[in-house]
Amino acid sequence: EEQLVQSGAEVKKPGESLKISCKTSGFSFTTYWIAWVRQMPGKGPEWVGAIYPGDSDGKYSPSFQGHVTISADRSTKTVYLQWSSLAASDTAIYYCARTAPGRYFEFYSPFYLRHWGQGTLVTVSS
Amino acid sequence: DIRMTQSPSTLSASIGDRVTITCRASQSIGSWLAWYQQKPGRAPKLLIYKASSFEDEVPSRFSASGSGTDFTLTISSVQPDDFATYYCQDYSSYSVTFGQGTKLEIK
Repeated sequence: EEQLVQSGAEVKKPGESLKISCKTSGFSFTTYWIAWVRQMPGKGPEWVGAIYPGDSDGKYSPSFQGHVTISADRSTKTVYLQWSSLAASDTAIYYCARTAPGRYFEFYSPFYLRHWGQGTLVTVSS
Repeated sequence: DIRMTQSPSTLSASIGDRVTITCRASQSIGSWLAWYQQKPGRAPKLLIYKASSFEDEVPSRFSASGSGTDFTLTISSVQPDDFATYYCQDYSSYSVTFGQGTKLEIK
């Protein structure tokens, strides 16, 4: 059974750093993208970015590029989302999710999300 | 970035009603569109991908169509379990975007 299990809720102050995790099991870690999706209170989902653990290729939404880093550890089948300096506007639930298999090319896109983690609530407040 | 616009934002319906949600892309996305259902406190749940391909457990009262810029999700006879928020998603490129959502509520 495919599973994505996320780390627990976090409360941080503005300017602090943070790394949250998404541990996967039940599927080939290196042949699917793992995406991060932000959902701010009362709002719709937003694509943060995704990583292909097979070669650690990372792609980011322009809105998040430079503000977060996505990484993967093949030995533990875990994907991470990290911030070096949090802002109050980062307060949200962050979901990790698995795409369809394979790489993106002109006639194929795998970026729909069939399996999701339970979400990690990140609260940033002074 | 491609913008995804859903309408309506809120939809009030009674059990047994037929309802349709529309999603419009700011430029052609082919059939690279997914639909999700989200209930409070839960992660979104994939219903449909590639515009009209259904996940195994999706009830037959759901139908979906469209390509290019205009897409629809229809529930032929709304059931109690269907009251939720629905999102469309463009995944035609690395720059994935979601619609703003349509909340289906009980009339």
